Amino acid sequence: AQSVTQLDSQVPVFEEAPVELRCNYSSSVSVYLFWYVQYPNQGLQLLLKYLSGSTLVKGINGFEAEFNKSQTSFHLRKPSVHISDTAEYFCAVGGGSQGNLIFGKGTKLSVKP
Amino acid sequence: DSGVTQTPKHLITATGQRVTLRCSPRSGDLSVYWYQQSLDQGLQFLIQYYNGEERAKGNILERFSAQQFPDLHSELNLSSLELGDSALYFCASSVGAGGTYNEQFFGPGTRLTVL
Repeated sequence: AQSVTQLDSQVPVFEEAPVELRCNYSSSVSVYLFWYVQYPNQGLQLLLKYLSGSTLVKGINGFEAEFNKSQTSFHLRKPSVHISDTAEYFCAVGGGSQGNLIFGKGTKLSVKP
Repeated sequence: DSGVTQTPKHLITATGQRVTLRCSPRSGDLSVYWYQQSLDQGLQFLIQYYNGEERAKGNILERFSAQQFPDLHSELNLSSLELGDSALYFCASSVGAGGTYNEQFFGPGTRLTVL
C-alpha cells in the first residue's frame, strides 16, 4: 500500500524568504511523486513530478523538489517566495497497479509581506 | 485551463436527495478519475473508469456510483445525501489506465453543499 505524509499543515513565511514543504511517502513498489498546488477556489495544478532519473526536479513558478529514496522523502523548495505563492500544496504518490494518486493532507503556505 | 470540464460548479441540496455531477475529460484521454476533497478526509480517490469500464475503486460509499459513457464523459451519482457528503468533488483525466505513468489533469471541481 502507498501513503503520503505531509509533515506541516501550515507554513507561514515572509515574502522573499526561502521555504521548504516536507513530504514523506511509503510504498512497496517503484513510485512516481508529484506536487500539486491549489489556489483558493480553484482546482489542482501540477507543479512538478519525479518519474525517474535525476533526483532534483524543477517545476513551474521557481519550485523544485528532491527525491531521496533512502529517506523516502520528496520535499518541495523555493529559494524566494512571493505573495502569489500563497496556496495549498499537495504531495502525491502514484505508480502502483492502479492509476490513481494518493495524496497527502496538504500544506497551507501563507506568504506575508 | 486543464481541458477537463466539470458541471455544475456549485450544488446546494438537502439531506436525503440525489445529485449527479458531470465531467468531460480532455480530448484524447480515456481515463476518468473521481476524487473527493473534504476538510476531515483530505483528497481521497473514489473511482476510476477507463474507456467505459470501471478500472479501480477507492473509498467510494455504496450510496455513490459512477459511469463513463461512449463519448467518454463521466457522471458521479450521489444518493441519500448526508451532511458529511458536503465536499469538493474533482474529476481528473489521463491518457492511459495506470500501471505506467499517466499524468492526470484535474478539472475545477464541483462544490457540493448538503443542508
